[in-house]
Amino acid sequence: GDSVTQMEGPVTLSEEAFLTINCTYTATGYPSLFWYVQYPGEGLQLLLKATKADDKGSNKGFEATYRKETTSFHLEKGSVQVSDSAVYFCAPIKGAGSYQLTFGKGTKLSVIP
Amino acid sequence: EAGVAQSPRYKIIEKRQSVAFWCNPISGHATLYWYQQILGQGPKLLIQFQNNGVVDDSQLPKDRFSAERLKGVDSTLKIQPAKLEDSAVYLCASSSMAGGYQETQYFGPGTRLLVL
Repeated sequence: GDSVTQMEGPVTLSEEAFLTINCTYTATGYPSLFWYVQYPGEGLQLLLKATKADDKGSNKGFEATYRKETTSFHLEKGSVQVSDSAVYFCAPIKGAGSYQLTFGKGTKLSVIP
Repeated sequence: EAGVAQSPRYKIIEKRQSVAFWCNPISGHATLYWYQQILGQGPKLLIQFQNNGVVDDSQLPKDRFSAERLKGVDSTLKIQPAKLEDSAVYLCASSSMAGGYQETQYFGPGTRLLVL
């Protein structure tokens, strides 16, 4: 069946370090890919999205490129801040029918000063 | 614009009891979703409504879970009777238009349920 594989956490980085969180999916026909973020004590919120192959989503210094050939949507940020500490979820959407988001298990990021 | 509202925020019940959660989506959003998020996992869709009709309830345990969205606005999710494995955060989300594949889903703060 359809599935999403995210990099196992937790991830601990020093401030200003480079961040990569890997995400790959196995499915046919995922028309859109999303990254959601959950800050401590807050609800899930959209971080960025890409709706077709080779699209790059970006927000708050984070970027991810929709790579159809490798079925990946890796999240990157060049210089993380303490305020980026959160849980990050990769979520392709199925399309054709219910448009159901299929969430990965989440990757917890802790950024230390 | 007001976000997705959920209540209660926390609920503790004993197994075999019943419980209900309420969700008020963003005004004008046609599509409403209920997700279950077990600790350490990503959210899993339970049911999706388009206005007041069910689009997808394939992962809803229908022997104990039920949901309704009267008048296409507010929604309630009920569990009866609850089991220990139902302990989770129940998230409500909404999206505008037809909930298409480009639409962003906006999430509420969730209801944290503990079944003892």
